[in-house]
Amino acid sequence: GDSVTQMEGPVTLSEEAFLTINCTYTATGYPSLFWYVQYPGEGLQLLLKATKADDKGSNKGFEATYRKETTSFHLEKGSVQVSDSAVYFCAFYSSASKIIFGSGTRLSIRP
Amino acid sequence: NAGVTQTPKFQVLKTGQSMTLQCAQDMNHNSMYWYRQDPGMGLRLIYYSASEGTTDKGEVPNGYNVSRLNKREFSLRLESAAPSQTSVYFCASSLDRAITGELFFGEGSRLTVL
Repeated sequence: GDSVTQMEGPVTLSEEAFLTINCTYTATGYPSLFWYVQYPGEGLQLLLKATKADDKGSNKGFEATYRKETTSFHLEKGSVQVSDSAVYFCAFYSSASKIIFGSGTRLSIRP
Repeated sequence: NAGVTQTPKFQVLKTGQSMTLQCAQDMNHNSMYWYRQDPGMGLRLIYYSASEGTTDKGEVPNGYNVSRLNKREFSLRLESAAPSQTSVYFCASSLDRAITGELFFGEGSRLTVL
């Protein structure tokens, strides 16, 4: 069935380090792919998305490229900040109004 | 700029008690959703309402009921709470059923069942 696999956290980095959070998916066809972010005490919010193969989504310095061949959508940022500390969810649009979410990766950035 | 509003934010219940989580959105969205978030399991869809007057089961509907009261409001009811329903519940909305991926979430309701 449809599923998302994310790298397990927590991930702890120093400020200005390079970030990669891996995400792979199992789905029928080529669904739209998303990264959501959840800051402490808040609901999730859409960070970026890509709707077709080879598309690159970007926002707030984060990027992710839709890789059809490897069914992946890895999240990257060149230089993280303390304010990026949050939980990140990879997701895709499945059928029947469902978005399938991964289990989330907690990111902590040290000053 | 309220967006999606959930109440209550925190609730403690005893096994067997009932309660209703309320959700309202002011963005004129057609579709609304209830998710639960559990450690290590991400978000799982409980029920959704593609449009006013319709509701459908998600991945984990057992033990829950929903009501789409009008276009703005979508409530989730636990008739007889169980400890397995201890979780954080999120309401979300989107413009329409053929969503582009942007769900708008409330701040969550943390429920503990003793």
